[in-house]
This record gives sequence, C-alpha cells and structure tokens, in this order.
Amino acid sequence: SQELEQSPQSLIVQEGKNLTINCTSSKTLYGLYWYKQKYGEGLIFLMMLQKGGEEKSHEKITAKLDEKKQQSSLHITASQPSHAGIYLCGAALKTSYDKVIFGPGTSLSVIP
Amino acid sequence: SAVISQKPSRDICQRGTSLTIQCQVDSQVTMMFWYRQQPGQSLTLIATANQGSEATYESGFVIDKFPISRPNLTFSTLTVSNMSPEDSSIYLCSVEIPGGSYEQYFGPGTRLTVT
Repeated sequence: SQELEQSPQSLIVQEGKNLTINCTSSKTLYGLYWYKQKYGEGLIFLMMLQKGGEEKSHEKITAKLDEKKQQSSLHITASQPSHAGIYLCGAALKTSYDKVIFGPGTSLSVIP
Repeated sequence: SAVISQKPSRDICQRGTSLTIQCQVDSQVTMMFWYRQQPGQSLTLIATANQGSEATYESGFVIDKFPISRPNLTFSTLTVSNMSPEDSSIYLCSVEIPGGSYEQYFGPGTRLTVT
C-alpha cells in the first residue's frame, strides 16, 4: 500500500463551496508539505507544517497537521475556478527533511 | 522563496540517446533534489544532490542511468542516459531554502518524450 494516501482522489465542487482534502501517512511525519500543480506544470508551494496541531493559512486555503493521527487536512473556503488543479501532499520522513515522499494527488475541479 | 529555472522545458528524444537537464536557482542553496513524475502519477524522488559530495540515489535509481552534477550552490544537472520510452516523464528539480524552514520549491519541470 501507499506510504502516503490522499482522499478524495478527485473532487468536483460548485464555485463558492468549501472543501477538504486529507493526507494520511503510514509512517512518522516530521513535516508535511502541500503543493498545487496545474496540468503539465511545476509545483506551486502552498505551505509546510512541522508541529503537531500547527495550522497555517494562505488566502482562502488553510492546512492543519494532526501529528498523532499522522494526518493533514487542506481546507479551501469559498472555492473559485482559480483553485482548480492537482493538490499534492509531501511528507518528510526523516528529521533531516532530505527525503520527501509524495501522495498520489487530489484532482480538484471548480464549476463556475 | 526561490526562483528556479530548468532547461530544456521539453524535448523529444530517440531511444538510446541521452539528455542533460539543467536546473538553475537564483540564490545559493545547499540541498537540491531531482524528481520524476511519470504520466498520471505522483512525484518520485530520484536523488539528492548536495554541493561538494556525491549525489545520494533512492532505491531503484542508479548513477549510471541518472548521473548528476552539482558544481556549485546554484546549479545542478541530471542526465537521463540510454533512454527508453519508459523514461518519458516530467523531470523536476527542487531546492530546500536555507535557514531552517525546510521549505522546498520546485522548478517548472522538463517534459521528456522518448520515441
């Protein structure tokens, strides 16, 4: 099974709706990254969480890390078409952060 | 953050040939990484390239197939050698921002098609 799982695999929401994407690790997390990728393009850094319970926000996107559950959630409030893309979580599995594995991604479509 | 560029942005190559991908950063960084993203898949770490030392390869990746150079703190290259159609992927470099934040930023990627 995957070391890092994301749910849902894909999501279609109406513009203005809220949504949540989850990322769960089967191994100990030392840090959790969230990225957004447009088709065929590079990854856009959204945020990084390091401590259990840490929560960060950037514009309408909020991410939280639950260290005990080895899980992170990404929440988008009042979604817009510009939020569409693939959301990838990456987990640092070493304290040196020099090995980051990525989840399979969640494809988000926002319907105007 | 960091501004990262990659060359070429895309290429179509014949099997058996080699391609060298360049990654340039606008600031000095210690840690650089090379990833592969196969069609419809997530990212897989190929190797970590630190300046002044040999690259560290992940399981399933070997230096003969993916030689890496890291001549200074702002530049790295990845060569895909003796290519086969299975090497068709997007290759991305990333850097860790110095200063203890552990944030990693990615280049725009190089889309490689092997025919």
